[in-house]
Amino acid sequence: NAGVIQTPRHKVTGKGQEATLWCEPISGHSAVFWYRQTIVQGLEFLTYFRNQAPIDDSGMPKERFSAQMPNQSHSTLKIQSTQPQDSAVYLCASSLDWGGAETLYFGSGTRLTVL
Amino acid sequence: GDQVEQSPSALSLHEGTGSALRCNFTTTMRAVQWFRKNSRGSLINLFYLASGTKENGRLKSAFDSKERYSTLHIRDAQLEDSGTYFCAGSGSFNKLTFGAGTRLAVCP
Repeated sequence: NAGVIQTPRHKVTGKGQEATLWCEPISGHSAVFWYRQTIVQGLEFLTYFRNQAPIDDSGMPKERFSAQMPNQSHSTLKIQSTQPQDSAVYLCASSLDWGGAETLYFGSGTRLTVL
Repeated sequence: GDQVEQSPSALSLHEGTGSALRCNFTTTMRAVQWFRKNSRGSLINLFYLASGTKENGRLKSAFDSKERYSTLHIRDAQLEDSGTYFCAGSGSFNKLTFGAGTRLAVCP
């Protein structure tokens, strides 16, 4: 079991460019989460999927952020027109299920730097 | 919204000693998870609790949903226990709300 896999580990973009982050959840896990970590805000919830369906995206900045889960083996987080304030570590996590009752397993994260 | 107050923000222990980390929740949480950030920056799950206490080696965690707090006790601290510890509560809308973390330094 390789755990939750996130690629790339590091990404540097120029202001205004697009960034796509990839996540492969643990096989068999039906719930996938995206979080963002910054020094100022700490760990912030962005969105989550259950059985590939988007359930709650209340943490997503509405205008430039989007997340998809086209199949059970991967999810993407896309940021359009990146801004310096988007710089953060983006974490993906998965769990067997989610009813508030399942252990969450995190990937190593993607460190996004927007110049 | 749900908020989690984690304390202390930083803690220094000598090897062999122990202490406790605490998280207070502003709302009723259904469960709490404790994580530790490893050397690669990954969050490793230490405990999941819906109630009561759990123990694993030198770590012990307790969660009281009614009183809205959780604790993580570390005993006989070792150098490799150094790192950042986070608690997270499962509250409304089935998502985790994280504390700000506790930076633990274990000194010889």
